[in-house]
Amino acid sequence: AQKITQTQPGMFVQEKEAVTLDCTYDTSDQSYGLFWYKQPSSGEMIFLIYQGSYDEQNATEGRYSLNFQKARKSANLVISASQLGDSAMYFCAMRADNYGQNFVFGPGTRLSVLP
Amino acid sequence: DTGVSQDPRHKITKRGQNVTFRCDPISEHNRLYWYRQTLGQGPEFLTYFQNEAQLEKSRLLSDRFSAERPKGSFSTLEIQRTEQGDSAMYLCASSLNYGSPPYNEQFFGPGTRLTVL
Repeated sequence: AQKITQTQPGMFVQEKEAVTLDCTYDTSDQSYGLFWYKQPSSGEMIFLIYQGSYDEQNATEGRYSLNFQKARKSANLVISASQLGDSAMYFCAMRADNYGQNFVFGPGTRLSVLP
Repeated sequence: DTGVSQDPRHKITKRGQNVTFRCDPISEHNRLYWYRQTLGQGPEFLTYFQNEAQLEKSRLLSDRFSAERPKGSFSTLEIQRTEQGDSAMYLCASSLNYGSPPYNEQFFGPGTRLTVL
């Protein structure tokens, strides 16, 4: 079975500061992908960043970077220079290389950026 | 707009009624997924299609739920005899299956919020 754990129900960060959102995962598959999505209050899920299990370098995408520690099974999202528009729910998700290929999502972290 | 669209955006119904939602994926995407998201939780997988074939169904998809993608383009999700526990956001996503899994980013629609009274 696959599982995603996000232990921070809510996080606060000051505008322009960096913040790390935690994600740990559990899978027995060797090949898998890790995704982060942002869900603003409007409800749509916005793809942020992807990390493959065989990728040797941490993924980066603009102000987003993924701190991937495979041995610890963690894939933390780092947002640099936080902006007020970053206030949203953030979901970590995993897809493993198995039949079905559906995503398993974590419970999410609500990030609030303070002015 | 060439993103994933869902209709309706909101649906209020009485317990016991049937409801049907529609999802139009990104046109060239061959995979289509349905998820359910309850308040304060992450999305939970319901089912997915590759083209017109329904390849997997979650145990969450009781026999009151049925999904179709008849021509491999749009999809419908029907809930029969709705119950209050069906109240949730129903999200549709699509992806283009290419290259080596597991990378196939899913693009999500805005969701249909169902309220069962």
